[in-house]
Amino acid sequence: AQSVTQLGSHVSVSEGALVLLRCNYSSSVPPYLFWYVQYPNQGLQLLLKYTSAATLVKGINGFEAEFKKSETSFHLTKPSAHMSDAAEYFCAVGSSNDYKLSFGAGTTVTVRA
Amino acid sequence: DSGVTQTPKHLITATGQRVTLRCSPRSGDLSVYWYQQSLDQGLQFLIQYYNGEERAKGNILERFSAQQFPDLHSELNLSSLELGDSALYFCASSIWPPIYGYTFGSGTRLTVV
Repeated sequence: AQSVTQLGSHVSVSEGALVLLRCNYSSSVPPYLFWYVQYPNQGLQLLLKYTSAATLVKGINGFEAEFKKSETSFHLTKPSAHMSDAAEYFCAVGSSNDYKLSFGAGTTVTVRA
Repeated sequence: DSGVTQTPKHLITATGQRVTLRCSPRSGDLSVYWYQQSLDQGLQFLIQYYNGEERAKGNILERFSAQQFPDLHSELNLSSLELGDSALYFCASSIWPPIYGYTFGSGTRLTVV
């Protein structure tokens, strides 16, 4: 079975500061990894995905994530936070032998002016 | 517009009633997934269909049922509604296997009064 753990349910950053959201995964086979963002009262939107190509993945809105197999991690970063980054972020893992993705519990990001 | 259409967007109903939520997947996607999102439970996987057949079941109550029709749209039926069923219900769709992740709809907000 596969699973993800998101470390920290809430993260608060200052505008212009680094955003770092942590995700660790567990999978018995090579994983597919995803980050989603959810703005209030909206659906989840795909930020970026890792599907065994480059280990550093760039996504929308200036976000990127690095796949580290040795650490079983897929942390999400953005160098400079913007007020519009305030949202909930979900990490998810899938594989070629499972019917569904497994989502983490989510991390809520607040951005201070 | 993500390509996944959910109707209705909002639904207010009384306890004990039955409602049907509808989802049309993105063109070309054969898999449909239903999720429930509430403040206290987070994002909960309910059920998955692939090309008309049930493929995976999560934390779905016996009062809830779903199906996927030949045209690939799906319906989630919620009966004997309780106050605690108030939540956002999301539908997502994907190709198989979901190596590129899911595409989510904008959700149906159900309020049980």
